Amino acid sequence: QVQLEQSEADVKKPGASVRVSCKTSGFFFAAYYIHWVRQAPGQGLEWMGWINANNGDTIYAQKFQGRFTMTRDRSTRTAYMELTSLRSDDTAVYYCARADPGPYEFDFWGQGTLVSVPS
Amino acid sequence: QSVLTQPPSVSGAPGQRVTISCTGGRADIGAGYDVHWYQQLPGRAPKLLISGNTNRPSGVPDRFSASTSGTSASLVITGLQADDEADYYCQSYGSSLSVFGTGTTLTVL
Repeated sequence: QVQLEQSEADVKKPGASVRVSCKTSGFFFAAYYIHWVRQAPGQGLEWMGWINANNGDTIYAQKFQGRFTMTRDRSTRTAYMELTSLRSDDTAVYYCARADPGPYEFDFWGQGTLVSVPS
Repeated sequence: QSVLTQPPSVSGAPGQRVTISCTGGRADIGAGYDVHWYQQLPGRAPKLLISGNTNRPSGVPDRFSASTSGTSASLVITGLQADDEADYYCQSYGSSLSVFGTGTTLTVL
Protein backbone atom coordinates (compact mmCIF):
# COMPACT_ATOMS: atom_id res chain seq x y z
CA GLN A 1 0.00 0.00 0.00
CA VAL A 2 1.03 3.60 -0.54
CA GLN A 3 2.93 5.01 2.43
CA LEU A 4 4.77 8.22 3.16
CA GLU A 5 6.72 7.92 6.40
CA GLN A 6 8.17 11.13 7.79
CA SER A 7 11.02 11.69 10.21
CA GLU A 8 10.47 12.31 13.90
CA ALA A 9 9.69 15.60 15.59
CA ASP A 10 12.55 18.00 16.14
CA VAL A 11 13.38 21.00 18.31
CA LYS A 12 15.72 23.62 16.91
CA LYS A 13 17.21 26.88 18.09
CA PRO A 14 16.51 30.11 16.20
CA GLY A 15 18.92 30.50 13.31
CA ALA A 16 19.50 26.76 12.94
CA SER A 17 18.42 24.55 10.04
CA VAL A 18 16.14 21.54 9.97
CA ARG A 19 15.85 18.68 7.51
CA VAL A 20 12.71 16.57 7.30
CA SER A 21 12.57 13.32 5.36
CA CYS A 22 9.64 11.63 3.66
CA LYS A 23 10.33 7.98 2.86
CA THR A 24 7.88 6.49 0.39
CA SER A 25 6.79 2.98 -0.49
CA GLY A 26 4.06 1.17 -2.39
CA PHE A 27 4.23 3.17 -5.60
CA PHE A 28 6.60 4.14 -8.41
CA PHE A 29 8.32 7.13 -6.80
CA ALA A 30 9.59 8.71 -10.01
CA ALA A 31 6.10 8.96 -11.47
CA TYR A 32 4.90 11.53 -8.97
CA TYR A 33 5.45 14.95 -7.47
CA ILE A 34 6.03 15.29 -3.76
CA HIS A 35 4.56 18.42 -2.23
CA TRP A 36 5.36 19.99 1.13
CA VAL A 37 2.67 21.65 3.24
CA ARG A 38 2.98 23.21 6.65
CA GLN A 39 0.52 23.95 9.41
CA ALA A 40 1.36 26.31 12.25
CA PRO A 41 -0.33 25.61 15.59
CA GLY A 42 -4.04 26.32 15.34
CA GLN A 43 -3.68 27.58 11.78
CA GLY A 44 -4.59 26.38 8.30
CA LEU A 45 -2.65 24.51 5.65
CA GLU A 46 0.03 26.39 3.76
CA TRP A 47 1.50 25.04 0.52
CA MET A 48 5.29 25.36 0.37
CA GLY A 49 6.32 23.79 -2.93
CA TRP A 50 6.71 20.65 -4.98
CA ILE A 51 9.50 18.51 -6.33
CA ASN A 52 9.34 16.34 -9.42
CA ALA A 53 10.54 13.00 -8.05
CA ASN A 54 11.73 11.98 -11.51
CA ASN A 55 14.09 14.79 -12.43
CA GLY A 56 14.30 16.85 -9.24
CA ASP A 57 12.76 20.00 -10.73
CA THR A 58 11.23 22.19 -8.06
CA ILE A 59 8.63 24.92 -7.70
CA TYR A 60 8.54 27.01 -4.54
CA ALA A 61 5.80 29.19 -3.14
CA GLN A 62 7.02 32.78 -3.25
CA LYS A 63 6.99 33.06 0.54
CA PHE A 64 9.44 30.18 0.88
CA GLN A 65 11.91 31.06 -1.86
CA GLY A 66 15.38 31.41 -0.40
CA ARG A 67 15.23 29.56 2.95
CA PHE A 68 13.49 26.42 1.77
CA THR A 69 15.02 23.63 -0.31
CA MET A 70 13.47 20.39 -1.55
CA THR A 71 15.52 17.45 -2.75
CA ARG A 72 14.96 13.78 -3.41
CA ASP A 73 16.88 10.53 -3.62
CA ARG A 74 15.43 8.19 -6.21
CA SER A 75 17.51 5.25 -4.97
CA THR A 76 15.87 5.34 -1.53
CA ARG A 77 12.51 6.73 -2.73
CA THR A 78 12.85 9.54 -0.21
CA ALA A 79 12.06 13.23 -0.46
CA TYR A 80 13.63 15.84 1.79
CA MET A 81 12.91 19.40 2.79
CA GLU A 82 15.35 21.74 4.48
CA LEU A 83 14.47 25.02 6.09
CA THR A 84 17.30 27.33 7.14
CA SER A 85 17.60 30.39 9.41
CA LEU A 86 14.75 29.09 11.52
CA ARG A 87 12.53 31.53 13.40
CA SER A 88 9.93 30.95 16.06
CA ASP A 89 7.18 31.40 13.48
CA ASP A 90 8.50 28.37 11.58
CA THR A 91 7.13 26.24 14.41
CA ALA A 92 4.68 24.01 12.61
CA VAL A 93 3.78 20.51 11.51
CA TYR A 94 5.35 19.85 8.12
CA TYR A 95 3.63 17.36 5.81
CA CYS A 96 4.73 15.69 2.61
CA ALA A 97 2.04 14.61 0.16
CA ARG A 98 1.96 12.77 -3.14
CA ALA A 99 0.34 14.04 -6.31
CA ASP A 100 0.31 13.16 -9.99
CA PRO A 101 2.45 15.51 -12.10
CA GLY A 102 0.50 18.67 -12.75
CA PRO A 103 -2.35 20.46 -11.00
CA TYR A 104 -3.72 17.42 -9.23
CA GLU A 105 -4.95 16.46 -5.80
CA PHE A 106 -2.76 15.29 -2.92
CA ASP A 107 -3.98 11.73 -2.65
CA PHE A 108 -1.67 10.41 0.07
CA TRP A 109 -0.07 12.27 2.93
CA GLY A 110 2.70 11.64 5.41
CA GLN A 111 1.84 11.66 9.09
CA GLY A 112 3.48 15.04 9.63
CA THR A 113 6.62 16.17 11.43
CA LEU A 114 6.45 18.75 14.19
CA VAL A 115 9.33 21.22 14.07
CA SER A 116 9.52 23.43 17.14
CA VAL A 117 11.61 26.58 17.27
CA PRO A 118 11.28 28.01 20.79
CA SER A 119 11.89 31.73 20.97
CA GLN B 1 -0.06 34.07 -4.47
CA SER B 2 -3.85 33.75 -4.53
CA VAL B 3 -5.95 32.73 -1.56
CA LEU B 4 -9.14 30.71 -1.45
CA THR B 5 -11.62 32.04 1.09
CA GLN B 6 -13.76 29.76 3.26
CA PRO B 7 -16.08 30.55 6.16
CA PRO B 8 -14.21 30.03 9.45
CA SER B 9 -16.92 27.81 10.86
CA VAL B 10 -20.18 26.05 10.08
CA SER B 11 -22.38 23.90 12.26
CA GLY B 12 -25.33 21.59 12.06
CA ALA B 13 -27.26 19.03 14.02
CA PRO B 14 -26.92 15.30 13.36
CA GLY B 15 -28.79 14.33 10.22
CA GLN B 16 -28.78 17.85 8.80
CA ARG B 17 -27.07 19.19 5.68
CA VAL B 18 -24.29 21.77 5.66
CA THR B 19 -22.52 23.59 2.86
CA ILE B 20 -18.97 24.92 2.93
CA SER B 21 -18.06 27.50 0.31
CA CYS B 22 -14.66 28.17 -1.25
CA THR B 23 -14.27 31.45 -3.10
CA GLY B 24 -11.36 32.05 -5.44
CA GLY B 25 -10.77 34.27 -8.41
CA ARG B 26 -10.05 34.41 -12.13
CA ALA B 27 -6.46 33.27 -11.60
CA ASP B 28 -7.29 29.99 -9.88
CA ILE B 29 -10.77 28.39 -9.81
CA GLY B 30 -11.99 30.81 -12.46
CA ALA B 31 -9.08 29.83 -14.72
CA GLY B 32 -10.42 26.29 -14.87
CA TYR B 33 -8.18 24.60 -12.31
CA ASP B 34 -9.87 21.76 -10.47
CA VAL B 35 -10.86 22.12 -6.82
CA HIS B 36 -10.05 19.39 -4.34
CA TRP B 37 -11.34 19.02 -0.79
CA TYR B 38 -9.67 17.60 2.32
CA GLN B 39 -10.91 16.59 5.75
CA GLN B 40 -8.59 16.99 8.73
CA LEU B 41 -9.60 15.31 11.94
CA PRO B 42 -8.08 16.72 15.14
CA GLY B 43 -4.43 15.81 15.44
CA ARG B 44 -4.36 13.98 12.11
CA ALA B 45 -2.97 14.56 8.65
CA PRO B 46 -5.42 15.84 6.04
CA LYS B 47 -7.29 13.22 4.04
CA LEU B 48 -8.47 13.59 0.45
CA LEU B 49 -12.24 13.89 0.40
CA ILE B 50 -13.10 15.10 -3.11
CA SER B 51 -10.84 15.30 -6.17
CA GLY B 52 -11.34 16.94 -9.52
CA ASN B 53 -14.24 19.11 -8.36
CA THR B 54 -16.72 16.28 -7.86
CA ASN B 55 -15.03 12.88 -7.51
CA ARG B 56 -15.08 10.87 -4.31
CA PRO B 57 -12.10 8.57 -3.72
CA SER B 58 -12.88 5.00 -2.79
CA GLY B 59 -14.16 4.77 0.76
CA VAL B 60 -15.57 8.28 1.01
CA PRO B 61 -19.31 8.11 1.74
CA ASP B 62 -21.73 9.56 -0.80
CA ARG B 63 -22.95 11.92 1.94
CA PHE B 64 -20.06 14.10 0.75
CA SER B 65 -20.46 15.89 -2.57
CA ALA B 66 -19.02 18.98 -4.21
CA SER B 67 -19.50 21.29 -7.14
CA THR B 68 -17.80 24.19 -8.85
CA SER B 69 -19.21 27.25 -10.56
CA GLY B 70 -17.35 30.23 -11.90
CA THR B 71 -14.79 31.32 -9.34
CA SER B 72 -16.26 29.34 -6.43
CA ALA B 73 -16.72 25.79 -5.21
CA SER B 74 -18.91 24.18 -2.58
CA LEU B 75 -18.71 21.08 -0.41
CA VAL B 76 -22.01 19.63 0.76
CA ILE B 77 -22.33 17.17 3.62
CA THR B 78 -25.70 15.53 4.13
CA GLY B 79 -26.88 13.33 6.98
CA LEU B 80 -24.39 14.89 9.38
CA GLN B 81 -22.70 12.53 11.79
CA ALA B 82 -20.71 13.22 14.93
CA ASP B 83 -17.50 11.97 13.35
CA ASP B 84 -17.82 14.53 10.55
CA GLU B 85 -16.62 17.09 13.07
CA ALA B 86 -13.33 18.24 11.57
CA ASP B 87 -11.60 20.98 9.62
CA TYR B 88 -12.24 21.11 5.89
CA TYR B 89 -10.00 22.68 3.28
CA CYS B 90 -10.41 23.36 -0.42
CA GLN B 91 -7.33 23.40 -2.65
CA SER B 92 -6.67 24.46 -6.19
CA TYR B 93 -3.94 25.83 -8.43
CA GLY B 94 -3.07 29.07 -10.15
CA SER B 95 -0.07 30.15 -12.18
CA SER B 96 1.73 26.82 -11.51
CA LEU B 97 1.33 27.21 -7.81
CA SER B 98 -0.95 25.40 -5.42
CA VAL B 99 -3.14 27.16 -2.91
CA PHE B 100 -5.31 26.04 0.00
CA GLY B 101 -8.46 27.55 1.29
CA THR B 102 -8.46 29.27 4.65
CA GLY B 103 -10.18 26.29 6.24
CA THR B 104 -13.58 25.70 7.84
CA THR B 105 -14.27 24.08 11.19
CA LEU B 106 -17.40 21.96 11.16
CA THR B 107 -19.13 21.52 14.49
CA VAL B 108 -21.81 18.88 14.88
CA LEU B 109 -24.20 20.18 17.50
